Amino acid sequence: ETGVTQTPRHLVMGMTNKKSLKCEQHLGHNAMYWYKQSAKKPLELMFVYNFKEQTENNSVPSRFSPECPNSSHLFLHLHTLQPEDSALYLCASSRDNSRDSQFFGPGTRLTVL
Amino acid sequence: AQSVTQLDSQVPVFEEAPVELRCNYSSSVSVYLFWYVQYPNQGLQLLLKYLSGSTLVKGINGFEAEFNKSQTSFHLRKPSVHISDTAEYFCAVSGDSSYKLIFGSGTRLLVRP
Repeated sequence: ETGVTQTPRHLVMGMTNKKSLKCEQHLGHNAMYWYKQSAKKPLELMFVYNFKEQTENNSVPSRFSPECPNSSHLFLHLHTLQPEDSALYLCASSRDNSRDSQFFGPGTRLTVL
Repeated sequence: AQSVTQLDSQVPVFEEAPVELRCNYSSSVSVYLFWYVQYPNQGLQLLLKYLSGSTLVKGINGFEAEFNKSQTSFHLRKPSVHISDTAEYFCAVSGDSSYKLIFGSGTRLLVRP
């Protein structure tokens, strides 16, 4: 238990669906991150939020839309995804956006049909 | 630009044998270095990190790593592995002015009885 939770743990969706991934951290951190982990590829940083402000968008397609209503919660809204978007989506948090250690959630395994 | 290379995609080893997982990085600035472990169907867990000071860093579960600036390496070692150490291990680096973690492609440690 790292103090970072993600729901759902598994999600299967069609290409026309709209769904959201949720991340919550109980560590009092101010920075939160979304990563994508695909088979045979290194982890890819998608978005970074620091004190609720987005500070990084790593050229992510607009079909992925993040939302950070407060420092404890982070969402990833999904719409009109493609099969190649199937992956494990990991949320992480850190004390701030310096080089402090990041703590990861268990991930959401997403399958797009 | 920073990068991380984990040359071994898979390392098979017998239980109670020693193991070394290799990590090399490239960076033109000072770095912070991390090792994370990912057990099946879980997120990443921090094993250890090097920020400054002693080049030999001890982490959880009996792992240690040594920072070698001249060889730009940060190899992970354990003198005697257990079946439960079977997992994917990721080396990561962050740079002087960036909070971004750059991950290697991972090494799967497979411990056999």
